[in-house]
Amino acid sequence: KQEVTQIPAALSVPEGENLVLNCSFTDSAIYNLQWFRQDPGKGLTSLLLIQSSQREQTSGRLNASLDKSSGRSTLYIAASQPGDSATYLCAVFSGNKLVFGAGTILRVKS
Amino acid sequence: DADVTQTPRNRITKTGKRIMLECSQTKGHDRMYWYRQDPGLGLRLIYYSFDVKDINKGEISDGYSVSRQAQAKFSLSLESAIPNQTALYFCATSEGRGGHLYQPQHFGDGTRLSIL
Repeated sequence: KQEVTQIPAALSVPEGENLVLNCSFTDSAIYNLQWFRQDPGKGLTSLLLIQSSQREQTSGRLNASLDKSSGRSTLYIAASQPGDSATYLCAVFSGNKLVFGAGTILRVKS
Repeated sequence: DADVTQTPRNRITKTGKRIMLECSQTKGHDRMYWYRQDPGLGLRLIYYSFDVKDINKGEISDGYSVSRQAQAKFSLSLESAIPNQTALYFCATSEGRGGHLYQPQHFGDGTRLSIL
């Protein structure tokens, strides 16, 4: 059974810091990995999707990497801003469904 | 207007009541999903439907049922609600092309359900 773990569970940083969120999964047989953002009272917004054959994806200040063989992904956020405060969820597409981690709650202080 | 609309947004009810959560979409997607989110557990799949005549159980389907009334509508029912079904519920949709290839899922804003 695929399991996805995210570390840390919560993170508080001052504005302007670069930061890394971690995601690990137990079964390397995945089609892809996706990072989502969740704001309070809102649904999930897709940030980055990495196919299993890819190593990384970039969008603006966000960069996500994937090491399928070791079952790990990182989301790098450059020059963090208060507007980046949210819960970040990692999910892998495995066995025809998405399996989610519990998320990392990020707070960026101004 | 939102592409994936969930109603109600919030609901408080009592143990033993029957509850229906509704989801409608304007994206024209074939596939629809219901998830629940609990603190510290992430999202877990309850049921999913790849087209109007297709219904599949997810990871945690016990105590739930679904109905795919049309391509655009997918409802989730709790026949006799219990307190441990208190959670945030999300509906999602995705395109149906590509067989088992992944198509990105688009989420509604969620229904916060509290069962007393």
